Amino acid sequence: GAVVSQHPSRVICKSGTSVKIECRSLDFQATTMFWYRQFPKKSLMLMATSNEGSKATYEQGVEKDKFLINHASLTLSTLTVTSAHPEDSSFYICSAVAPSSYEQYFGPGTRLTVT
Amino acid sequence: DAKTTQPPSMDCAEGRAANLPCNHSTISGNEYVYWYRQIHSQGPQYIIHGLKNNETNEMASLIITEDRKSSTLILPHATLRDTAVYYCIVRPLGGSNYKLTFGKGTLLTVNP
Repeated sequence: GAVVSQHPSRVICKSGTSVKIECRSLDFQATTMFWYRQFPKKSLMLMATSNEGSKATYEQGVEKDKFLINHASLTLSTLTVTSAHPEDSSFYICSAVAPSSYEQYFGPGTRLTVT
Repeated sequence: DAKTTQPPSMDCAEGRAANLPCNHSTISGNEYVYWYRQIHSQGPQYIIHGLKNNETNEMASLIITEDRKSSTLILPHATLRDTAVYYCIVRPLGGSNYKLTFGKGTLLTVNP
């Protein structure tokens, strides 16, 4: 099946710094990727839709200037958490849409801890 | 808001069949029923999907009622590794921008 990777798998950063998370589709090209956030014992919440070559579409309540999304190629989308705060600590998960089937394939997630 | 309702938790004995119900009474004619699962601290994994006919693959079977208002995911021989949160989601098939709305899912615990 289709494989999606995320890097890093875990990251710890200090308050006020920025951290970049990468999402790659390894064996298919994805014009659309999604970014989700998941707090402990909660369900996944969609943050934004990332379309290759265009601006991301953010869900209501998600700050676009804080969560910068770049989808510069058909296999890579990045999420940058700017000026991170402890409340940004969460599990961030991406998914990539396979063009042939429109199925979403999920990455393994990135655990962000802001100290 | 999720368009599905699932029990918050279920238990199953190892080796027995696990039957996970889902209610989707407001499903539209062009919407499919999808099932994903999420093992602790991992990304969701696709299991199966269907429109109105029953479906089976190497992981599970999906039984959809004739009126399509509910469905059941069946894991025929549950193992300890099947312990996870199972999400039932309805979405149209096709189109790359169709979002998945995750509800709270069912935490299935498989006991030895």
